[in-house]
Amino acid sequence: AQKITQTQPGMFVQEKEAVTLDCTYDTSDPSYGLFWYKQPSSGEMIFLIYQGSYDQQNATEGRYSLNFQKARKSANLVISASQLGDSAMYFCAMREGGNAGNMLTFGGGTRLMVKP
Amino acid sequence: DADVTQTPRNRITKTGKRIMLECSQTKGHDRMYWYRQDPGLGLRLIYYSFDVKDINKGEISDGYSVSRQAQAKFSLSLESAIPNQTALYFCATSEKASQETQYFGPGTRLLVL
Repeated sequence: AQKITQTQPGMFVQEKEAVTLDCTYDTSDPSYGLFWYKQPSSGEMIFLIYQGSYDQQNATEGRYSLNFQKARKSANLVISASQLGDSAMYFCAMREGGNAGNMLTFGGGTRLMVKP
Repeated sequence: DADVTQTPRNRITKTGKRIMLECSQTKGHDRMYWYRQDPGLGLRLIYYSFDVKDINKGEISDGYSVSRQAQAKFSLSLESAIPNQTALYFCATSEKASQETQYFGPGTRLLVL
């Protein structure tokens, strides 16, 4: 079974509007962390936001927020007030606490395109 | 200056050649990683190292080897390159902590002909 699932291969959003990128995960480990990374066309991986499994509040970082629904095992990324520079691939990733290697397991990504 | 650098940024090589990808970091992190990304997919872990004397295989280590020359340097070698090793390779670093975010280098695009 896929550990990280991103069901939206591609999405469009109008500039200045908000957009939600979906991520569901599968783990039996009670301790885990969820990450979102942005990959622009230039290729680098840019860390955006982190949510720990024991965190009581949803994480926020500027225009990014994470809608964490633990019972549903979802960790959706919300980008408010979209900008043209937000056009990129977005990856959800998970690190399970019992993983000795701190390995990040990545989803397949969502390509976001912001329309002017 | 970038905290995590990778050289070369782009490389074309032929099947059977040995190739080394290098990673350096100025973040002072103990932990370093090598991942590969295939087109349209997320990243997969090749090797990781928690300190200079620690080397561990990741999810897809066959055909690769690594060397941790110093805390700041972690090299990935393809002993005999094959076309299905054509990919985007990323080095990452992290600091032992509860969150332990991994910070990635700019990537190396490798094409094996």
